Amino acid sequence: AQSVTQLDSQVPVFEEAPVELRCNYSSSVSVYLFWYVQYPNQGLQLLLKYLSGSTLVKGINGFEAEFNKSQTSFHLRKPSVHISDTAEYFCAVTRGSGNTGKLIFGQGTTLQVKP
Amino acid sequence: DTEVTQTPKHLVMGMTNKKSLKCEQHMGHRAMYWYKQKAKKPPELMFVYSYEKLSINESVPSRFSPECPNSSLLNLHLHALQPEDSALYLCASSQDSSGRAFFAEQFFGPGTRLTVL
Repeated sequence: AQSVTQLDSQVPVFEEAPVELRCNYSSSVSVYLFWYVQYPNQGLQLLLKYLSGSTLVKGINGFEAEFNKSQTSFHLRKPSVHISDTAEYFCAVTRGSGNTGKLIFGQGTTLQVKP
Repeated sequence: DTEVTQTPKHLVMGMTNKKSLKCEQHMGHRAMYWYKQKAKKPPELMFVYSYEKLSINESVPSRFSPECPNSSLLNLHLHALQPEDSALYLCASSQDSSGRAFFAEQFFGPGTRLTVL
């Protein structure tokens, strides 16, 4: 069975500072990995995805993530955050083959950007 | 059109009411999903439809009844709900260019905020 662990439930950071949100997954099969962002009272928006190829993935709003197969991690980074990045961030995984449509989410990390 | 729309945005209902949530997409996607999300929690998968057929039911109580009348529309019929069913209900869809329904990337709608009194 697949599972996702987001290691930090809350990450406070000052504006213009760098940030890393950590995500580890467990799976015995190949996987696709995602980061979604959810702003208050909204749905989920895809930030970036890893399907195959280059392990460094660039997404929207200046975010990037690195797939590390040996450490089963997919950490999200941004070199300089803005107040508007304050939101809930979810890491998610699904099977890379034999996909049934099930997307497994981590528990989420609240990014709080302070002025 | 690259969005998933959901109506209504907010819904308040009593425990004896019958109501429906509606989800629509015009991206040609052939997989559609219902999720339930409680505050400060990740979305929980409820149902998956592939090519208008129910393919996954995550042991959801029968007071929730999904329906997929066509490839663009997904409904969730609600009857005799409990206060603990109050949550944000999210719809999503997916399909890749090769036509497989279960392409990994899911596009989410804004959700319906449901309150059961």
